[in-house]
Formats: sequence, C-alpha cells, structure tokens
Amino acid sequence: AQSVTQLGSHVSVSEGALVLLRCNYSSSVPPYLFWYVQYPNQGLQLLLKYTTGATLVKGINGFEAEFKKSETSFHLTKPSAHMSDAAEYFCAVKGASYGKLTFGQGTILTVHP
Amino acid sequence: EAQVTQNPRYLITVTGKKLTVTCSQNMNHEYMSWYRQDPGLGLRQIYYSMNVEVTDKGDVPEGYKVSRKEKRNFPLILESPSPNQTSLYFCASSPLSSTDTQYFGPGTRLTVL
Repeated sequence: AQSVTQLGSHVSVSEGALVLLRCNYSSSVPPYLFWYVQYPNQGLQLLLKYTTGATLVKGINGFEAEFKKSETSFHLTKPSAHMSDAAEYFCAVKGASYGKLTFGQGTILTVHP
Repeated sequence: EAQVTQNPRYLITVTGKKLTVTCSQNMNHEYMSWYRQDPGLGLRQIYYSMNVEVTDKGDVPEGYKVSRKEKRNFPLILESPSPNQTSLYFCASSPLSSTDTQYFGPGTRLTVL
C-alpha cells in the first residue's frame, strides 16, 4: 500500500519569498514520486518527478524537490515566489502497481504582492 | 499536439439520469485512468485500464462503469448519478511503465441535482 501526506492545505507567501511545500509518503517498495500543479480551471501539469538516480530533482518554473529516503519526504521548493505560482500543488507516489498514482490532499499556494 | 481530451467540460444533470463522459488520447498510450477530485481529498482513482478490454477498479469505483473498446478512448459512465457524485473528474493516460508521467485531461465538472 502507498499513501501521501501533504502538510498544510494552504500556504501563503510574499512575492520573492521562499516557497516550501511539504510532502511525506509511505510505500512498501522504492517509490516514484511526482509533483503536479493545477492552475485555476485547468488540468494537472507535471512539475517534476523522481524515479531513480540524483535525489535533487529540478522541474519547470524554477521548482525543485529533494527525495530523502530516511525521512520519507519529497518536499517542493522554489527560492523566490512569483505571483504566477499561485495554484494548487499535488504530491503523488507510484509504487509497484503500473500506472496507479496515489495523490496527497493538495496544497493551495497563495502569493501576496 | 499530444493531448488528452474530455467532453463535456461542464455538466449539470439530475439524479438518476444516465450520463457518459468521454475521454480520448492521441499518444497511443496503453494505460488510462479516471480520477475524481474533491476538496481536501486530492484525486482518487475510480477505474483504470491497462489495455483494450482490460479494466479494473480503483479506490472509489462504486456508481461508475467504464469500457475500453479502443485504445484511444476510455469513457466514464454513470448509470444512475447521485448528488454524492458531484465532483471534478479527470481522465489521464500514460505508457505502461512505472516511471512514466501521466498526462491529464482538462477536467469535467459534474453537478448532480
């Protein structure tokens, strides 16, 4: 079985501030981890993913995430928030089962001027 | 352009009136899946298909049916919709590999009165 917990359903930052969205997972097998972003009234778009290899993964729009096996975490960060980053972010894990993604509850990011 | 399309995008219906939400992908993907998104619950898998004529239940299949007669299409059928099926629905597709990204459609917002 696999599960994902996103800590904080809402995160609010000022423009230019660090963005940190937290994700912890559980998986009985080595996980594949994903972050998706959902802009208002749109579908989900892949930000980045970890499969194997380097544990620091860089994605689109300046986001990155680090896979920490010992902490079972895959937190998403961005050094400097932009107004355009306001969206809902989903962490997801894929384990042994082909295709099945298990999503976290989502974190709504608000960026203040 | 590689994409997943869904129709309709918005639908308001009444309890008990059968409806179908279509999903089509043009990427020749083997794997297709339906999710529903509800506030605070993230995305939950309804049904998935690993190839033509191969479908299986996800985490919340009650009240839904699917079929996969062609590789590109994966319609979601609600035989007798109820108000608790009011939700945002997403179709997704991917190659049949654990590491591959799932591509999501734009979503269908369904309201059952």
